[in-house]
Amino acid sequence: QSALTQPASVSGSPGQSITISCTGTSSDVGGYNFVSWYQQHPGKAPKLMIYDVSNRPSGVSNRFSGSKSGNTASLIISGLQAGDEADYYCSSFTSSNTRVFGGGTKLTVL
Amino acid sequence: EVQLLESGGGLEQPGGSLRLSCVASGFTFSSYAMSWVRQAPGQGLEWVSGISGSGGSTFYADSVKGRFTVSRDNPKNILSLQMNSLRTDDTAVYYCAKDVTSSVIPPRNGMDVWGQGTTVTVSS
Repeated sequence: QSALTQPASVSGSPGQSITISCTGTSSDVGGYNFVSWYQQHPGKAPKLMIYDVSNRPSGVSNRFSGSKSGNTASLIISGLQAGDEADYYCSSFTSSNTRVFGGGTKLTVL
Repeated sequence: EVQLLESGGGLEQPGGSLRLSCVASGFTFSSYAMSWVRQAPGQGLEWVSGISGSGGSTFYADSVKGRFTVSRDNPKNILSLQMNSLRTDDTAVYYCAKDVTSSVIPPRNGMDVWGQGTTVTVSS
């Protein structure tokens, strides 16, 4: 199972909005509405930000949202804050009944 | 408080074995599928294995199939990962994680609770 494709890095200024893409295939992202997104700060465990493409767990800011079109999912962060600076990973359920992660995207808040 | 606490990591030689454990608290353990996810030094996340709430269904990444075995002891709230025939590329921090949705097979929705991780180093 190949990793999902994410940009290595994205950046934005405080208050701006950014989008992180996650591209897979019809056997994972495109075939199921089971895409999740995780935030990871250095030295910390990942934190679930979005599941099932666009659902936010309780406690996650509504500045974080998700969507999907075809084989590409997206994480949108609006009103960027300094604390949003972290690594972000997408993940999808696959036709092999497994999960696959993306390579990760480093978000820099300028 | 919902919590996961891993243990069992350490230094092992190639070809050796290690058993990781994850003790869960604060939720009905048997109702949720669980997973192991690893992260090699400086690298991204890699899903390793998953197990249904009852323990009757297990799932593995191709990279560990045939070498790793996931299991759970529901009365004791313990998730385990038996790792055999270890290779240097198994070196990573290993996290256990709880699925966000109960009673789903195979686990697929997302993982909302993570442990702090335990470090496995495979080296001669």
